[in-house]
Amino acid sequence: QQQVKQSPQSLIVQKGGISIINCAYENTAFDYFPWYQQFPGKGPALLIAIRPDVSEKKEGRFTISFNKSAKQFSLHIMDSQPGDSATYFCAAYLATGNTPLVFGKGTRLSVIA
Amino acid sequence: IAGITQAPTSQILAAGRRMTLRCTQDMRHNAMYWYRQDLGLGLRLIHYSNTAGTTGKGEVPDGYSVSRANTDDFPLTLASAVPSQTSVYFCASSERTGFGYTFGSGTRLTVV
Repeated sequence: QQQVKQSPQSLIVQKGGISIINCAYENTAFDYFPWYQQFPGKGPALLIAIRPDVSEKKEGRFTISFNKSAKQFSLHIMDSQPGDSATYFCAAYLATGNTPLVFGKGTRLSVIA
Repeated sequence: IAGITQAPTSQILAAGRRMTLRCTQDMRHNAMYWYRQDLGLGLRLIHYSNTAGTTGKGEVPDGYSVSRANTDDFPLTLASAVPSQTSVYFCASSERTGFGYTFGSGTRLTVV
């Protein structure tokens, strides 16, 4: 019940296309859903996050879509660029649990020209 | 620049040797974490600490130990390294447990 399932494991997108990464969770008590971006040789860094009381959050070319009833959320990268090539992790947070973030297994995105 | 410092950056270690990976943060964050990252397996939590003086086990704690004597430091010790501990190790911290992580740049460890 503490798992976050992320798909796909890897993704290749043409420059200018839309990259979509999906995550699903079971625990309805999760109340914050961040996405982390990791470039090769670096540690992950917070990219964007959403709370379950909103259905969408947009920051520049990055959008999180959240479907509370389906217990799913997704990251959309519009106009994907080669500089977006990285590994992306979704995660879920339980405010009342005093427990670490639960991470998905990651998606390696390659944007090709 | 505030953040997390991990040392060493990389290390080749003979099997059976003892090794301590160092992690120091200067943000006065209460919580700290150790993850290992292996291809296809994502970030797996080894140990964590909600606050100085406390530690907890993560998903893959066997073969590793930690201590949290103060707020800033959270060393990870491999008592007797084995080849399966070859991985990239990331330390992270957050002001409160589970929320708003800052990651270090990682230690690449190869056990031969």
